[in-house]
Amino acid sequence: DGGITQSPKYLFRKEGQNVTLSCEQNLNHDAMYWYRQDPGQGLRLIYYSQIVNDFQKGDIAEGYSVSREKKESFPLTVTSAQKNPTAFYLCASSIKSRVSGNTIYFGEGSWLTVV
Amino acid sequence: AQKVTQAQTEISVVEKEDVTLDCVYETRDTTYYLFWYKQPPSGELVFLIRRNSFDEQNEISGRYSWNFQKSTSSFNFTITASQVVDSAVYFCALSGLYGGSQGNLIFGKGTKLSVKP
Repeated sequence: DGGITQSPKYLFRKEGQNVTLSCEQNLNHDAMYWYRQDPGQGLRLIYYSQIVNDFQKGDIAEGYSVSREKKESFPLTVTSAQKNPTAFYLCASSIKSRVSGNTIYFGEGSWLTVV
Repeated sequence: AQKVTQAQTEISVVEKEDVTLDCVYETRDTTYYLFWYKQPPSGELVFLIRRNSFDEQNEISGRYSWNFQKSTSSFNFTITASQVVDSAVYFCALSGLYGGSQGNLIFGKGTKLSVKP
């Protein structure tokens, strides 16, 4: 089935550790995104990538890093520099066109908790 | 700057009632796109609809309907004869034309809909 796969679904991190969230898509989409969602809040953009080997900071990139070595993959690393990493993380992808705009499709999300 | 406002934080209705979720947006772009997403308790965001700024036709899909009015910068979502399975958080979102950060989505803070049996 085509879609966006995020793993793990639940992750616990100790203070001072880096963790990496995986995101894979087989939709042949060019663009990929990482969003963060806090309880009762909307989504905020962390990083996005419109093409392989290129990515841009979103609104809340501090304390996060990404890579885009393959079209299908866009992993997110939450570093120890991120002061408040406990949140729900959503990966997404899209094809951009003038007709369809930028319809973004989401994965199932990953819950990260700092213990 | 682009902005999406969903003034209703939470709405509670009884099954079979009709309910309208409000969405007001701000943008200086002449071409833009509006979206609605549903987030059930499982967490995944499910795409519901996309609307282009140059197409103001309203749309109906089963029990769902959307009212797009450029004059009031609104893109409201109505669920007719609500069901318990409609319980979720609904997000309205806005994006510009593709290219750079303008193509990314700006989300409202969401409206939590609870449908009671």
